Amino acid sequence: QEQLQESGPGLVKPSETLSLTCALSGFSITSGHYWGWIRQPPGKGLEWIGSISHSGSTDYRSSLKSRVTISVDTSKNQVSLKLTSVTAADTALYYCARIMTTMTTRWIDPWGQGTLVTVSS
Amino acid sequence: QSVLTQPPSVSGAPGQRVTISCTGSSSNIGSDYDVHWYQHLPGEAPKLLIYSNINRPSGVPHRFSGSKSGTSASLAITGLQPEDEADYYCQSYDRSLSGSVVFGGGTKLTVL
Repeated sequence: QEQLQESGPGLVKPSETLSLTCALSGFSITSGHYWGWIRQPPGKGLEWIGSISHSGSTDYRSSLKSRVTISVDTSKNQVSLKLTSVTAADTALYYCARIMTTMTTRWIDPWGQGTLVTVSS
Repeated sequence: QSVLTQPPSVSGAPGQRVTISCTGSSSNIGSDYDVHWYQHLPGEAPKLLIYSNINRPSGVPHRFSGSKSGTSASLAITGLQPEDEADYYCQSYDRSLSGSVVFGGGTKLTVL
């Protein structure tokens, strides 16, 4: 069964770096798909963070571009997210997902269960 | 402020039909980029409901259907059931934002 499972610290201090890992099971990270991160701040809607291809090509939300890095570890079949200099505005439920990508569109399926990250001192 | 605009809430009685609109612009839906829909139940992972405007993934009931015209798209749910009560999000692709994925603000469906 294809699954994605996010993990990482649930509490991060302001100005520090948020680091999350997404473990894939049931499919290979080198399968040719894109892998991405989406977040949902409390009481708000979904927000695109960015994605990475199997070859390492990345795209990021423009407002986060200076702070975000998405990478893959093929030996562990994992995708990682790093977000530096966090503030309370980065408090959110963070989802890992497979990004289905064609020449003309992208959609998201499946999604992980999500992991809550709170930025607070 | 989301790039795609959805009504904050819709409601309907069991068995009724409801529609959820998703309005974009010439840089996303109007540029012929596909629209996709997700159902998000509390405490669960969002689930793909409709992809590429009209297509249902395996396992999604035929009660759910999508359409697209111009700079807008719609999700229709017929024969409303209590378990349909959830948040629904539309999603597309925007060429003015470095080719970014964009979402609607979400619509809360209440089954009365």
